Amino acid sequence: AQSVSQHNHHVILSEAASLELGCNYSYGGTVNLFWYVQYPGQHLQLLLKYFSGDPLVKGIKGFEAEFIKSKFSFNLRKPSVQWSDTAEYFCAVASYTGFQKLVFGTGTRLLVSP
Amino acid sequence: EPEVTQTPSHQVTQMGQEVILRCVPISNHLYFYWYRQILGQKVEFLVSFYNNEISEKSEIFDDQFSVERPDGSNFTLKIRSTKLEDSAMYFCASSVTSDGGELFFGEGSRLTVL
Repeated sequence: AQSVSQHNHHVILSEAASLELGCNYSYGGTVNLFWYVQYPGQHLQLLLKYFSGDPLVKGIKGFEAEFIKSKFSFNLRKPSVQWSDTAEYFCAVASYTGFQKLVFGTGTRLLVSP
Repeated sequence: EPEVTQTPSHQVTQMGQEVILRCVPISNHLYFYWYRQILGQKVEFLVSFYNNEISEKSEIFDDQFSVERPDGSNFTLKIRSTKLEDSAMYFCASSVTSDGGELFFGEGSRLTVL
């Protein structure tokens, strides 16, 4: 069965600091990988996704993620965070043939202090 | 921007009562989903729905649960006889395709079973 681990449950950063949120998944086959964000009081929104091709994917709002197949990882990065990035971030994986069934990590709450 | 809307935003019910959660997916989307998140736990897949039938369901989605698209716009989740452990945030989502398209999530319906 697929599973996703997010190692950081809570992260506190100052504005302009760099961000890296870890995500590891467990699945033996081809996967599709996602990062979703949930701003306070809002719905889950897609930040970025990886299906194939360049393992470095760029998403909205300056976020990027790198798929490292050998490490089963898909870490999220942003070089300089802003106060408005305060949110909860979810990594998710879906099998190549069953993408409808996303398996989510537990989420990481990011607080950016001004 | 089109969005998935869910009602009610919060429902409190007594154990054993029936609950219906409603969702209006984005109008040109063909695939519909329910996910849930128990407080402090991961977002979990419940069911996917296409062409008026369930395409996949998780082991959580037992006989107490049912989904329906009663008209051209609504997509409902019914819990026949609620249990305390059904207390959770329920998220509806929709997508245009099933082969890698983005899932668009609603803001969720919080169900509290007393």
